[in-house]
Amino acid sequence: AQTVTQSQPEMSVQEAETVTLSCTYDTSESDYYLFWYKQPPSRQMILVIRQEAYKQQNATENRFSVNFQKAAKSFSLKISDSQLGDAAMYFCAYRRASSNFGNEKLTFGTGTRLTIIP
Amino acid sequence: DTGVSQDPRHKITKRGQNVTFRCDPISEHNRLYWYRQTLGQGPEFLTYFQNEAQLEKSRLLSDRFSAERPKGSFSTLEIQRTEQGDSAMYLCASTGLAGDTGELFFGEGSRLTVL
Repeated sequence: AQTVTQSQPEMSVQEAETVTLSCTYDTSESDYYLFWYKQPPSRQMILVIRQEAYKQQNATENRFSVNFQKAAKSFSLKISDSQLGDAAMYFCAYRRASSNFGNEKLTFGTGTRLTIIP
Repeated sequence: DTGVSQDPRHKITKRGQNVTFRCDPISEHNRLYWYRQTLGQGPEFLTYFQNEAQLEKSRLLSDRFSAERPKGSFSTLEIQRTEQGDSAMYLCASTGLAGDTGELFFGEGSRLTVL
């Protein structure tokens, strides 16, 4: 079974600084997707960034980027120029790729609570 | 609003009562998921529908839990004879076939408190 581990329950960063959230996963699959989701307080979970395992290039979305190390099964999220609105729970998630459109559910880590210090 | 909607947002009930949650997915999405999230934890998969067919159920889904998606649109999750351990946030998510990006679109959740 796939597992996702986030070893940092809480992190804090000064506004405008850079912070990196860690995630490791375990799988025997070669093709899969990795995601970072953001869950603000009392708001729905939204996708921050995704990475296809077959792509060597690290994904970037504006201030958000990942460091994907497939051999090490590591998938960290870097947030640059942190803003107050970045404060939230961040969840790393894994999904096995599929050749048909079957159920490929997300497996989540336990999350990292990010606090932004003004 | 064309996102995933869930109702009710909050439910407080006494142990032993039945509760039902409703999820309306994004209209063109044919796949629907239910997850459960307890305090300080990540969401855990409960069940999955493709159109009206329930194709997978987690072992977390005891026989007190039942989910339906009768016409392949909205879905309901019913918990019978609630227990205090059922207290959690119940999240619904949907996704569609187009592109199969793997992204799930989540609702705001239904928070259950069992007294």
